[in-house]
Amino acid sequence: GAGVSQSPRYKVAKRGQDVALRCDPISGHVSLFWYQQALGQGPEFLTYFQNEAQLDKSGLPSDRFFAERPEGSVSTLKIQRTQQEDSAVYLCASSFTDYGYTFGSGTRLTVV
Amino acid sequence: KQEVTQIPAALSVPEGENLVLNCSFTDSAIYNLQWFRQDPGKGLTSLLLIQSSQREQTSGRLNASLDKSSGRSTLYIAASQPGDSATYLCAVGFGNEKLTFGTGTRLTIIP
Repeated sequence: GAGVSQSPRYKVAKRGQDVALRCDPISGHVSLFWYQQALGQGPEFLTYFQNEAQLDKSGLPSDRFFAERPEGSVSTLKIQRTQQEDSAVYLCASSFTDYGYTFGSGTRLTVV
Repeated sequence: KQEVTQIPAALSVPEGENLVLNCSFTDSAIYNLQWFRQDPGKGLTSLLLIQSSQREQTSGRLNASLDKSSGRSTLYIAASQPGDSATYLCAVGFGNEKLTFGTGTRLTIIP
């Protein structure tokens, strides 16, 4: 596709529920990133893939967060046993060259 | 830990004025710095990328400068227009591709 596609655009989850957020990067983009953006804050790094390899997951806030990119294209960010503090916009970005980022529109997660 | 600060947090100016947004960072050993624009409910759009060896970059009415030694960058917007209203974010990178973002400046251009 022409851009980075994220789905769903909005997700409301009950506390304790598991959620899965999908990112479809630009075809051919090697690098894929997940960021978390709380209301009124800048995005914060979660994790980074180069092809299917997860090279950095230092930003994942707890072991309830898990990301995968099994075939080096589509990525899924999974959050288990959601908590209210997980409410945020989750942004995905992909790039082909160093720092040529293209961001998706994000998934707004609300945990009630 | 790298800290990125943006001042002011919000800014309103009349249409047609020139304006400057500020970004400061604590660790000067950066690989590059980027300015992004974020519209409500949307993702981020990259505006300008400055490599650590560069002092400034220009695109149309936008000019970004970088002073690594003092840990500062500015984004200058000339002849502002209502369509420039958005949140502007700066982000620094360290060569491992991940970015550290500031909290942003919410800009409103008054017609």
